[in-house]
Amino acid sequence: EVQLLESGGGSIQPGGSLRLSCGASGFTFRLYTMAWVRQAPGKGLEWVSAILSDDSTSYADSVRGRFTVSRDNSKNSLSLQMNSLRADDTAVYYCAQRVEGSFRSWGQGTLVTVSS
Amino acid sequence: EIVLTQSPGTLSLSPGERATLSCRASQSVSANYFAWYQQKPGQAPRLVIYGASSRATGIPDRFSGSGSGADFTLTISRLEPEDFAVYYCQVYGNSRVTFGQGTRVEIK
Repeated sequence: EVQLLESGGGSIQPGGSLRLSCGASGFTFRLYTMAWVRQAPGKGLEWVSAILSDDSTSYADSVRGRFTVSRDNSKNSLSLQMNSLRADDTAVYYCAQRVEGSFRSWGQGTLVTVSS
Repeated sequence: EIVLTQSPGTLSLSPGERATLSCRASQSVSANYFAWYQQKPGQAPRLVIYGASSRATGIPDRFSGSGSGADFTLTISRLEPEDFAVYYCQVYGNSRVTFGQGTRVEIK
C-alpha cells in the first residue's frame, strides 16, 4: 500500500522560509515522478511543483524562483523548500505520486499559514 | 496555458439520480493525461478516473468518464450517499498540471 506522509507545515511570517517533507513507502520511490499540490482555505486545487525520476523539475509560475523541490531516493523522501513566503501561499500542501499525468496517491496534507 | 472550466459549479441531486459533470479545456488536450478527482471535506483528493475513461483502483463502476479533444464528462450513474463531494478535473501537458475549479455535488 502506497503511503505518503507530509510534515513541516506551520505558521510563518511573510518573507520567511519553510521546508516541507514527504516520506514515502509502499512503492519504488526512485522510479516515480513526485509532486506538490496545494489548496488554499476554501479554494480549489493548485499544482505547485514536480520532480521526475531523473531529478528534472518543474514549477507553477506562482512559485517559480521562490520554491525548490528535491528528492532523496536513499531516504524515500520528497522536500519542498519555500522561501519568500507570501500570504497567498497559505494552503494545505499535499504530496502526491504522479503516474502518467495523474496523481494516483496523495498524502494527508500539511497546513502552511503565512501571516504577520 | 491550458484552462479547465467545469460546469455546473454546483449540482443538487438526490441519491439514486444520475450526475453528469462537464470539464472543458481551452485547447485540445491528450485524453491519456486527463483525470477526475473526488474530494470530501477534510480529506485529500482521491483519483477517480485517469486516462479520461479508466477507473482508478477501488472506484465503483457507477463512475464513468468519457470525452476527447477539449470536452470531457464524468458520469455517476446512480448517486450513493458517499458520492456527495467536490469533483475536480485535471490535465497534464508540457510539464505542467492544471486543475478545474471544481463541481460540488450536493444532496438536494
